[in-house]
Amino acid sequence: EPEVTQTPSHQVTQMGQEVILRCVPISNHLYFYWYRQILGQKVEFLVSFYNNEISEKSEIFDDQFSVERPDGSNFTLKIRSTKLEDSAMYFCASTELAGYNEQFFGPGTRLTVL
Amino acid sequence: DAKTTQPPSMDCAEGRAANLPCNHSTISGNEYVYWYRQIHSQGPQYIIHGLKNNETNEMASLIITEDRKSSTLILPHATLRDTAVYYCIVRVAGNNAGNMLTFGGGTRLMVKP
Repeated sequence: EPEVTQTPSHQVTQMGQEVILRCVPISNHLYFYWYRQILGQKVEFLVSFYNNEISEKSEIFDDQFSVERPDGSNFTLKIRSTKLEDSAMYFCASTELAGYNEQFFGPGTRLTVL
Repeated sequence: DAKTTQPPSMDCAEGRAANLPCNHSTISGNEYVYWYRQIHSQGPQYIIHGLKNNETNEMASLIITEDRKSSTLILPHATLRDTAVYYCIVRVAGNNAGNMLTFGGGTRLMVKP
């Protein structure tokens, strides 16, 4: 069964460093998402991406964040200058069509900012 | 999207049916009820969704009341692997709908041997 994959599974970085989290969505999916979950808290939407542009973003997704689909398979989330409060699980998701279809989530990347 | 209310936790005996309730009294006519679950910090997993008719798939059944103000997710024969946080999410569906999922606190279901 096709699945969303994410790398790395765990990333440790120093405050102020840039990190790039990578995702490979399911191959025929057209809509891509990033969510995050701070330990013990709710899953929060960050951004959705379609047709090579952001379609929606939350207040969390400020200028420190960016997303990119650099080739036909990868979808990345970049955090330019990490803060302690960016420590969280980051989940990538994809769906074939927006609206009705379920979103398929990856296993997540645990980001730890020291 | 309409707000949902779920009990924070529930227990269920292994092999028995798990019935997880969700209140969504402000649901509007074009909003669907979706259920996802999250097993111990893994990525959320889609379970089922419906508009007004009851739905069933290989994972679960979804019962939506006639007034659509509440619903129940039923896991017919719960196993230890069904221990997870279950999220009820109400959202507009359709080609022009927003894409984001808004997760609440969910119900932590503990299946016990």
